[in-house]
Amino acid sequence: GAVVSQHPSRVICKSGTSVKIECRSLDFQATTMFWYRQFPKKSLMLMATSNEGSKATYEQGVEKDKFLINHASLTLSTLTVTSAHPEDSSFYICSATGTSVQETQYFGPGTRLLVL
Amino acid sequence: AQSVTQLDSQVPVFEEAPVELRCNYSSSVSVYLFWYVQYPNQGLQLLLKYLSGSTLVKGINGFEAEFNKSQTSFHLRKPSVHISDTAEYFCAVTTDMGRRALTFGSGTRLQVQP
Repeated sequence: GAVVSQHPSRVICKSGTSVKIECRSLDFQATTMFWYRQFPKKSLMLMATSNEGSKATYEQGVEKDKFLINHASLTLSTLTVTSAHPEDSSFYICSATGTSVQETQYFGPGTRLLVL
Repeated sequence: AQSVTQLDSQVPVFEEAPVELRCNYSSSVSVYLFWYVQYPNQGLQLLLKYLSGSTLVKGINGFEAEFNKSQTSFHLRKPSVHISDTAEYFCAVTTDMGRRALTFGSGTRLQVQP
């Protein structure tokens, strides 16, 4: 199956700093990437949808200035958590899909963010 | 808008016993349905999906699911579970393959006991 990677797998940062998370599709062109957030023992919540070369579409309640998403190429999307606070601590998961992967979302392994 | 309900938050079962994880959805239009499995501290792995055609879908690791349009259900089944099947299982739905965003259920924790 198609492979999606995320980097870093876990990150610890101080409150007020910014953190960038990368999501890469390794063997297919990802025309669309999604960013989800998962709280402990909870389901995944869609944060935003990004199409290559376009501005991301954010879900209601997600601050676009707080969570900056860039999808500059068909294999890379980045999520930057700006001025992180402890309440931003969470598990962030990306997924990717494209016309060559039979209409299925492939998920990255996730990034655990801990803001101190 | 669509929604997904997973009625059971936890399902304990003994090894080699059969299991069914329930999933019901709500939508006013046609849906595409998925089951994902998540092992601790890992991302999601696709178990199986229903896009069209046969309502009985077979997936990886011996799992299968049946799409029932009249009951708006997509229950996941396995005839004989293993300890290694212990994980969190998520049912998901989308009605817009063009946008392809998924709406997830709350998850079911399958706990296989020896």
